Amino acid sequence: RKEVEQDPGPFNVPEGATVAFNCTYSNSASQSFFWYRQDCRKEPKLLMSVYSSGNEDGRFTAQLNRASQYISLLIRDSKLSDSATYLCVVKLYGGSQGNLIFGKGTKLSVKP
Amino acid sequence: EPEVTQTPSHQVTQMGQEVILRCVPISNHLYFYWYRQILGQKVEFLVSFYNNEISEKSEIFDDQFSVERPDGSNFTLKIRSTKLEDSAMYFCASSGTGSNYGYTFGSGTRLTVV
Repeated sequence: RKEVEQDPGPFNVPEGATVAFNCTYSNSASQSFFWYRQDCRKEPKLLMSVYSSGNEDGRFTAQLNRASQYISLLIRDSKLSDSATYLCVVKLYGGSQGNLIFGKGTKLSVKP
Repeated sequence: EPEVTQTPSHQVTQMGQEVILRCVPISNHLYFYWYRQILGQKVEFLVSFYNNEISEKSEIFDDQFSVERPDGSNFTLKIRSTKLEDSAMYFCASSGTGSNYGYTFGSGTRLTVV
């Protein structure tokens, strides 16, 4: 049973393209949701939290559908520097701070 | 920007040896974590630590693993007798309070067991 499942990728897009990533999670007790990005052989870095009402940060828009247990990330006007692996992450309710459950990630490659 | 610091960046050890991975979390964070990522796999939770004790641990975190906060700044992960399958990137992370508070990860220690 995959707790957090993502598009397998890779996504190869030209600069300026709009690209969307999808993610589903299996545990309805999931409390908080995030997108992280990970560059090759580097640590995950928080890109943005995902709120129920949807939220935007510059070129990045995240959506959450709790009923469908579905999360998305939209990147507009993609840049070469957006090339990375995008990790969908959920935090489970309960425990001290819960813990983060990572998807395997979707690799994005933005070409000139 | 505050950061989580990990040392060493790369550790090579022989099977059966003990290793200690070190981390300095962000100073005003209260929650500390270890995660690992085997090459090509997803990031996996190992253990969380709060108020000087383990608050949660995964199935991976068996008796070979232990964590310690020996002083006010360091947070260590010890693997008592390393196995080949322990080869991975080990990430330390810390967080403040609040459910929507993301974790800050260190740059990781690449452990290679030979």
